[in-house]
Amino acid sequence: QVQLQESGPGLVKPSQTLSLTCTVSGGSISSVTYYWNWIRQPAGKGLEWIGRFYGSGSTDYNPSLKSRVTISADTSKNQFSLKMSYVTAADTAVYYCARADYDFWSGFNYWGQGTLVTVSS
Amino acid sequence: DVVMTQSPLFLPVTPGEPASISCRSSQSLLHSNGYNYLDWYLQKPGQSPQLLIYLGSHRASGVPDRFSGSGSGTDFTLKISRVEAEDVGVYYCMQALQTPLFAFGPGTKVDIK
Repeated sequence: QVQLQESGPGLVKPSQTLSLTCTVSGGSISSVTYYWNWIRQPAGKGLEWIGRFYGSGSTDYNPSLKSRVTISADTSKNQFSLKMSYVTAADTAVYYCARADYDFWSGFNYWGQGTLVTVSS
Repeated sequence: DVVMTQSPLFLPVTPGEPASISCRSSQSLLHSNGYNYLDWYLQKPGQSPQLLIYLGSHRASGVPDRFSGSGSGTDFTLKISRVEAEDVGVYYCMQALQTPLFAFGPGTKVDIK
């Protein structure tokens, strides 16, 4: 059974870099079969796709966040990470990691439980 | 950029009765392969979103058959044939074809009357 678990600091100061990790069990992130994604949700608001990592090492980002976001992976730990620089209060949200299939679109079929990140001094 | 809209934004429902949510995209989600790149997700209170429908009408694994998706191009509908109490939450449509990738609708909150 595939499981994803987000982790990282719950509080980040404005202008600093947010760093989160998603640990995957039940599947290899180096597999070329899946995309590994980050999605966020500000409190009481809707969902926003941040970006994705693909097993070959390629990435795609939401154009609205691209200048501040980097997604990378540590295959030895079966983890992928999100770094978002120069955060502001607007980046306060629950951050989810999620998996999608590569060769045939079938939705974000596995999600982590989410982790709340608050940007505040 | 593609814009996703949903209606209604709030839907009070009666258990056992049908319910329907509409989703519209500002650009066509019909790919040349014949599939519509439109998903539906349900976020139950306090939980992560869960996939209900992908490619417009394909039910995800484990999703009850009372949920169905239809539509093509820019207009889509999620139908619940007989609402159950466990179906409350916020329903999101999401497009997976246009730019920006994976844009979500604003959500429709479904609650019991």
